[in-house]
Amino acid sequence: GQNIDQPTEMTATEGAIVQINCTYQTSGFNGLFWYQQHAGEAPTFLSYNVLDGLEEKGRFSSFLSRSKGYSYLLLKELQMKDSASYLCAVRDIQEYQLIWGAGTKLIIKP
Amino acid sequence: EAGVTQSPTHLIKTRGQQATLRCSPISGHTSVYWYQQALGLGLQFLLWYDEGEERNRGNFPPRFSGRQFPNYSSELNVNALELEDSALYLCASRGGQEFRNTIYFGEGSWLTVV
Repeated sequence: GQNIDQPTEMTATEGAIVQINCTYQTSGFNGLFWYQQHAGEAPTFLSYNVLDGLEEKGRFSSFLSRSKGYSYLLLKELQMKDSASYLCAVRDIQEYQLIWGAGTKLIIKP
Repeated sequence: EAGVTQSPTHLIKTRGQQATLRCSPISGHTSVYWYQQALGLGLQFLLWYDEGEERNRGNFPPRFSGRQFPNYSSELNVNALELEDSALYLCASRGGQEFRNTIYFGEGSWLTVV
């Protein structure tokens, strides 16, 4: 079957670093996406990984290991505005659509 | 360049009625996806349209239907509304020529069934 797992909720402190993990099992793989979604708003695109390794974009970085079916999103220098849900999604090459994780709610405390 | 636009922003209907939600994709995008997101829950895939045809649908009853028009805009129809249909309905579009094939979301339509 197809499955994406993420922690339900995480808490971190302003200014710190947090790593949100995502593991997946899909019949095919054609890229992994991370989206940020603030409460009551639409998801916004953060990152895309299709090859193994780390992609850095400012305070946010995303890592992928295809052999392990594993990705993480790393957020540095946390700000209060980073409080949101972070969604991991995998593009299944066979169905050519995104398979979504349930999202990780990140709570930032002062 | 305009993003994905959805209308209406909010819609209140009574049980048993029908709701129609609309979506205009980013200019040049031919694929449109519809998702349902109930309060506090994850995205549930509803429908995928590409080049005017339905390509795939999620695990939803037939009373959830839609279509894509020649200009690639799309409509989602929900018949015989039930209380549990109350949710945020998100439309997203994708352009096949983009390297990353990223999908971009609209702001969503809040449907409340009373």
